[in-house]
Amino acid sequence: KAGVTQTPRYLIKTRGQQVTLSCSPISGHRSVSWYQQTPGQGLQFLFEYFSETQRNKGNFPGRFSGRQFSNSRSEMNVSTLELGDSALYLCASSLLAYTEAFFGQGTRLTVV
Amino acid sequence: QKEVEQNSGPLSVPEGAIASLNCTYSDRGSQSFFWYRQYSGKSPELIMSIYSNGDKEDGRFTAQLNKASQYVSLLIRDSQPSDSATYLCAVKGSNTGKLIFGQGTTLQVKP
Repeated sequence: KAGVTQTPRYLIKTRGQQVTLSCSPISGHRSVSWYQQTPGQGLQFLFEYFSETQRNKGNFPGRFSGRQFSNSRSEMNVSTLELGDSALYLCASSLLAYTEAFFGQGTRLTVV
Repeated sequence: QKEVEQNSGPLSVPEGAIASLNCTYSDRGSQSFFWYRQYSGKSPELIMSIYSNGDKEDGRFTAQLNKASQYVSLLIRDSQPSDSATYLCAVKGSNTGKLIFGQGTTLQVKP
């Protein structure tokens, strides 16, 4: 069974640009959540989607947005990139909201 | 008070010893509890999940949950150098997919 797939694995962007990250969950999983990991802040929750609906949103500015498609694949978008957005972005999928979450390999974003 | 708290360590144990990792959480409504292992530069890997009070064993790993004390622990028996990593405690609330993580405990297993 294929795991969670995130693309791309690495990105280098310039301040002010925008970026879109993609996540394909484990087949059959309908819950997808996104996290930002930085050395200083640890793993911070961004948002959670279940059956195309955003059910939770973390404490991030509106520049961070996401969506989920009917096939459960999810994307997150960050507009007007700032240096502080440099981080490892992780996607996790769960069969149901409260069950185990499995992470993808992450997308490492560097903003220069 | 942080929602999920862990001792950042490092916790150093000799090879073959038992490593004990602890975690406390603040939300009494929390429903699901997880331990992840993360190697440097890699993504978190799920190693244990526990949903009800008591112990759950899987190979060399035992997770313990005490909801009354809002406490979760992970025991690693016969620790190996390959167990050296950061261990993340994570909690989900009722009917939510949102994982709240502790800051992680760094474990060092010395040969």
